[in-house]
Formats: sequence, structure tokens, C-alpha cells
Amino acid sequence: TQLLEQSPQFLSIQEGENLTVYCNSSSVFSSLQWYRQEPGEGPVLLVTVVTGGEVKKLKRLTFQFGDARKDSSLHITAAQPGDTGLYLCAGRGQNFVFGPGTRLSVLP
Amino acid sequence: EAGVAQSPRYKIIEKRQSVAFWCNPISGHATLYWYQQILGQGPKLLIQFQNNGVVDDSQLPKDRFSAERLKGVDSTLKIQPAKLEDSAVYLCASSFTSGVGRDSYEQYFGPGTRLTVT
Repeated sequence: TQLLEQSPQFLSIQEGENLTVYCNSSSVFSSLQWYRQEPGEGPVLLVTVVTGGEVKKLKRLTFQFGDARKDSSLHITAAQPGDTGLYLCAGRGQNFVFGPGTRLSVLP
Repeated sequence: EAGVAQSPRYKIIEKRQSVAFWCNPISGHATLYWYQQILGQGPKLLIQFQNNGVVDDSQLPKDRFSAERLKGVDSTLKIQPAKLEDSAVYLCASSFTSGVGRDSYEQYFGPGTRLTVT
């Protein structure tokens, strides 16, 4: 069974700070996705990365897929309260599996 | 474009009772997923349909859970009988799954059904 780990589990920062969250596995994934989930709603897709070493930017969010396609990171620059939520990574390999998530709180 | 619809949004039942959830995916999406998300955890895939056929149900507790997708459109997930540990949010998602390009596997999620078993 392929597993994804995410760190940190919880993160509370002040508005304007930068942060990085990590998604790691011992397995290789053909693609990896990042989602954000807000309370009472389903996850919303942020990005899909496919190629090892790939970097994608979405406004203040930067996503990187590891060279070996086993890990990924999400970096947020100048975090805003609207970034608050649960950040989930999900990998497609033998199956489709989600990590446990990083719960981010950005305080004004 | 309408999103993924789920009903009910909330359900409270007693253990050993039965419950059913309904999902209507985005029009044209061939693939439909049911996930269970326990509080504080990421979603866990229960079952994946491609049109009206099952692609993956390896994590579905088949002694109490069942799902169907008649006609390859909407789907129902049933729990019978429910246990306390079934308390969770049940998410439905759909994807186009053309098999071409990175976007073909993008999943669109509904708002979920929050189940409380007492």
C-alpha cells in the first residue's frame, strides 16, 4: 500500500510570513496533486505535477515535485488569512491516495 | 457548469441502522469516486467507478458498505448496519478521465455528507 506523509501536521503563522509544507513517500507516483479544503466543503484542486523536478507557480504558491517523484513541497509567500485551510497532497500510483493534510492557520 | 451534488448534507443515525448517500457527478464525467474522511485525516478512497463499472473497491468494507452507479451517472453509497466508527464525512468526486493529458485525472469534489452514528 502506498502511503503519503505530510509535515507539519499543524502550522499557525502571522500574515505576511512565508511557509513550506512537505509531502513525502517511499513510493514513486506518476503524478501528484495538491488540494485545499475548507471546513464544510470538499477539497479543491490547486495543481497537478507530473514530471520529476517540475516546479509550478500559482500566484503566491509554488509547488515542486521531487526528482524521484516520491515527494513534493508547497511554498506560500507572504501568507494571507485567506490561505487558511487544510492542505492535502494526493498521489496517483497503483492507487490514488491522499496524505493526512497540513492544517494551516494564518492570523491577521 | 454545475458542480458535484451530494445529499443529504448531514445525517444522524443510531448504530445498527442503515443509511444511504446520493451523488450526482458533473455532466460528462465518466469516473466517480466515493471517499471517507474521518475527522483530522485525509480522504480515504472507498470505491472508484468508470462509467457503471467498478475500477477499485479494495478499501470498501464490503460486509456493511455497498455502492452502485446504475446507468453510469449518479451513484448511491449505502451503509448497513452502521457502526460508531463510520462517523465521518463521505465525499463524492468525479473526473473526466479522458486518459490524455495531466488534467484528465483532475477530481472535482462535492461538499460531502457528514454522518454521525450514535
